[in-house]
Amino acid sequence: KAGVTQTPRYLIKTRGQQVTLSCSPISGHRSVSWYQQTPGQGLQFLFEYFSETQRNKGNFPGRFSGRQFSNSRSEMNVSTLELGDSALYLCASSLTGGSTNEQFFGPGTRLTVL
Amino acid sequence: GENVEQHPSTLSVQEGDSAVIKCTYSDSASNYFPWYKQELGKRPQLIIDIRSNVGEKKDQRIAVTLNKTAKHFSLHITETQPEDSAVYFCAASIGGSQGNLIFGKGTKLSVKP
Repeated sequence: KAGVTQTPRYLIKTRGQQVTLSCSPISGHRSVSWYQQTPGQGLQFLFEYFSETQRNKGNFPGRFSGRQFSNSRSEMNVSTLELGDSALYLCASSLTGGSTNEQFFGPGTRLTVL
Repeated sequence: GENVEQHPSTLSVQEGDSAVIKCTYSDSASNYFPWYKQELGKRPQLIIDIRSNVGEKKDQRIAVTLNKTAKHFSLHITETQPEDSAVYFCAASIGGSQGNLIFGKGTKLSVKP
C-alpha cells in the first residue's frame, strides 16, 4: 500500500503571497490532519478533515484554510504569507480519525517565506 | 487550552544504557497516547502507542507506561543503540471519538557509541 504523499516537497514564497499544499492519504483512509512543525513550537495541529468536512481546528488564524475532496485528498492554503509561516507542513492520514486511530505521516512540505 | 508537557528536551546516553522520556497531559478525556520517532529530515514514524484501558505495553526494547490518575505516560528504551538517536514526540488524543493529537515539544535523544 502506498504511503501518504505530499506535494510539493519544497516551496519558496515571498511575504504577501499565498500557497496551496496537497496531501494524498493512504488508500482507504478518510481522515486527513494537517500539522505545522517548527523548531520552536514543535508539531502544532492545524485542522482535520473527514468526509470533505472540517471536523477539528487548531488555534491558527483564518489565513490558514483547507479542504478535502471526495477521493479524500486534501489541500491546505495559506494566504498573505508571513515570515513566521516558514515551517515544515505535515499531513497525516488515518482510517476514520477517531481518537484511537493510528496516524500515518507524509514526508512534509518545507515552506520558506522570504 | 489542552497541552502535553514532555521532558527532558535533550537526553544523551551511552550505548547499551536505558533512556526514559516522560510526558504529562491535561485533557482528562484523552484515551490514546502514541509515540513518534523522527529522524533528521524524515517524517515522524509511530513506534508504539497505548490506549487508556492498558497500563503498560512492550515491544522488544521499547515500552510505554500510562498512569491515567496522574495523567502521565512514559517511554522506556532499553539497550539503546546509535540508531535510536532521533527526536521522540509523545502525543495525546484530544476530545472523544473525533479527537485529534496534541504533541509534546519533543526529546532529542543521542546515543553515544
